[in-house]
Amino acid sequence: NAGVTQTPKFRVLKTGQSMTLLCAQDMNHEYMYWYRQDPGMGLRLIHYSVGEGTTAKGEVPDGYNVSRLKKQNFLLGLESAAPSQTSVYFCASSSDSTSGGETQYFGPGTRLLVL
Amino acid sequence: AQSVAQPEDQVNVAEGNPLTVKCTYSVSGNPYLFWYVQYPNRGLQFLLKYITGDNLVKGSYGFEAEFNKSQTSFHLKKPSALVSDSALYFCAVRPPSGNTPLVFGKGTRLSVIA
Repeated sequence: NAGVTQTPKFRVLKTGQSMTLLCAQDMNHEYMYWYRQDPGMGLRLIHYSVGEGTTAKGEVPDGYNVSRLKKQNFLLGLESAAPSQTSVYFCASSSDSTSGGETQYFGPGTRLLVL
Repeated sequence: AQSVAQPEDQVNVAEGNPLTVKCTYSVSGNPYLFWYVQYPNRGLQFLLKYITGDNLVKGSYGFEAEFNKSQTSFHLKKPSALVSDSALYFCAVRPPSGNTPLVFGKGTRLSVIA
């Protein structure tokens, strides 16, 4: 049981290049999330998904797109990378619950540097 | 909209002393509150959560947190700090209206000095 995994661990891009970050979970969770972490800013939600085939915008969605074609995978895309997207990206997942008390489980992060 | 405040960017404590990491929240209704810890170059790890019931919640690694509704606080505590507790701590809140994403505070860096 690997939990939440992220690929790649580290990437350097030039401004204008595109890339896709992959998140995979093996816990059969319905909900998946993408956050970015910047110094002094905490974690900010980019996009999230409440189930296969669904996505929703978070706090800072501009410049990013996501897809959830399979329940276990959540992809984050940068179509035209900008230096402002230099950050550490974390994926998380949680099970579905009407009570709202479900714990989010996090991946190890992807460090992205845009030059 | 819900929000979380962690008023201290940095907390320093001597090993063996009690530690407190502060968190206050703003949300409509009764909140779901969480604490996570992040060690260097790692993802966030769940420590504990308050959903309902006893205001004192016990979690991993000897940590506990007390929910105080009148003060809208959920401070993280440990009776005796260890050097290995040094890390970045995040408080998070979710409103009681369904399984919406967590809203995180900006984090507090805890440094335990031997």
